[in-house]
Amino acid sequence: QVTLRESGPALVKPTQTLTLTCTFSGFSLSTHGMCVSWIRQSPGKALEWLARIDWDDAKYYRTSLKTGLTISKDTSKNQVVLTMTNVDPVDTATYYCARVPSYGSGNYFDFWGQGTLVTVSS
Amino acid sequence: DIQMTQSPSSLSASVGDRVTITCRASQSINNYLNWYQQKPGKAPKLLIYAASSLQSGVPSRFSGSGSGTDFTLTISSLHPEDFATYYCQQSYNTPQTFGQGTQVEI
Repeated sequence: QVTLRESGPALVKPTQTLTLTCTFSGFSLSTHGMCVSWIRQSPGKALEWLARIDWDDAKYYRTSLKTGLTISKDTSKNQVVLTMTNVDPVDTATYYCARVPSYGSGNYFDFWGQGTLVTVSS
Repeated sequence: DIQMTQSPSSLSASVGDRVTITCRASQSINNYLNWYQQKPGKAPKLLIYAASSLQSGVPSRFSGSGSGTDFTLTISSLHPEDFATYYCQQSYNTPQTFGQGTQVEI
C-alpha cells in the first residue's frame, strides 16, 4: 500500500526558510524510474508543480519562483525534503508531495499525500 | 513554459449526462498528458495518464483522447460522485504545468 504524508510548519514568517518533509511507504525511491514531486495549490487556485527528485538523484525545479527551492532525499528513511528560502505571503498554499512513476519520457502523479497548509504571514 | 488551457472553466450538468472537457497545450506534447479529479479539501486523484490510459481502479465511464496539442476528457454518464474539479497536466517537459481546472457542477 502506497502512502505519502507531508509535514512541516503551519505558519512561517516572510523571508524565513520553509522546510517540508514527505514521508512515504509502499515504494522505494531507489527503484529505477521512481520519482517524487512537490506540488502546491494556493487557496482557490490551480495546481503548481514545484520540484522533482528522481531515483538517480536527478533534480528538477520550477525556476521561475522568486523563492529558492532545494529538494533532497533520504532513501534509508523514505523521505523527501523540500526547502524554500525567502518565502513570501504569495507562497501561502497547500503543499502536496506525490509519487511519480516514469514511463519512457513521460510520468504522472499516481499517489498523493493529504497535503499540508502553510501560511506565510508576519 | 508550456501553457495548458482548459475549456470550459466550469459547466453545469445533470446525473446521466455525457460531459466533455478539452485541454489545449501551447506546443505539441505528444501524448504526455494526464487528467486528475479533485474534490474540495482533498488531494487530486489520477484518472487518465498518457492521454488515454485509464488508471487502475478508475471507472470506465472516464476516457481520454488526443495527441499533439488537443486533448479531451470524457465522462460518458455523469454519476453523483463525479461532481468535482478536473485538471489536465503535461509531463512533456519541466516545469510540468497544469490547466486552470474545469469545475463540474450540478
